[in-house]
Amino acid sequence: SAVISQKPSRDICQRGTSLTIQCQVDSQVTMMFWYRQQPGQSLTLIATANQGSEATYESGFVIDKFPISRPNLTFSTLTVSNMSPEDSSIYLCSVGDGTDTQYFGPGTRLTVL
Amino acid sequence: QKEVEQDPGPLSVPEGAIVSLNCTYSNSAFQYFMWYRQYSRKGPELLMYTYSSGNKEDGRFTAQVDKSSKYISLFIRDSQPSDSATYLCAGTLKTSYDKVIFGPGTSLSVIP
Repeated sequence: SAVISQKPSRDICQRGTSLTIQCQVDSQVTMMFWYRQQPGQSLTLIATANQGSEATYESGFVIDKFPISRPNLTFSTLTVSNMSPEDSSIYLCSVGDGTDTQYFGPGTRLTVL
Repeated sequence: QKEVEQDPGPLSVPEGAIVSLNCTYSNSAFQYFMWYRQYSRKGPELLMYTYSSGNKEDGRFTAQVDKSSKYISLFIRDSQPSDSATYLCAGTLKTSYDKVIFGPGTSLSVIP
């Protein structure tokens, strides 16, 4: 399985600011996914990021709030814009390996004050 | 109704016990089913993956799928304290991409 790293691992941010989370994979992958895991809850898909195309957002998530870049087959970023305390969550990237399963990075724990 | 449901627990068992974790789903379009284990402050780790009804065994873990009743189970034999984690069941929808829907997870504690 792919080895996935995320930066930062955690951050504390002020309301109204933005944070960009990086996801790096040790091999080339077609599909990358961004999830949110709010305290005590399961994972919710934010968007799917394919290299060379616009990200596809799930219902309830919009590009202005969560812009995503996918410049190549090993890297993606998710920005959480104009943050509010409700954005406090763990943000996870994952990759598909072509066998219908996904592998996850360690997550970025975000706290918004 | 959520597409994938689990009893959130917490479930507490003594070391060596057999653990049964259960999950129900409502969407008949799910084609693949997974169990993920998530330790505190870590990302989910894929444990088991299956696409058909029946049992799949991997070491101390057995995944069971009953598509007729839309029921998924994970059995852990000879449970260890290191099995203490949250277990997430998930189903995959085959769309333009593989959309994975997760259950809320069951928190398990194995007491030495």
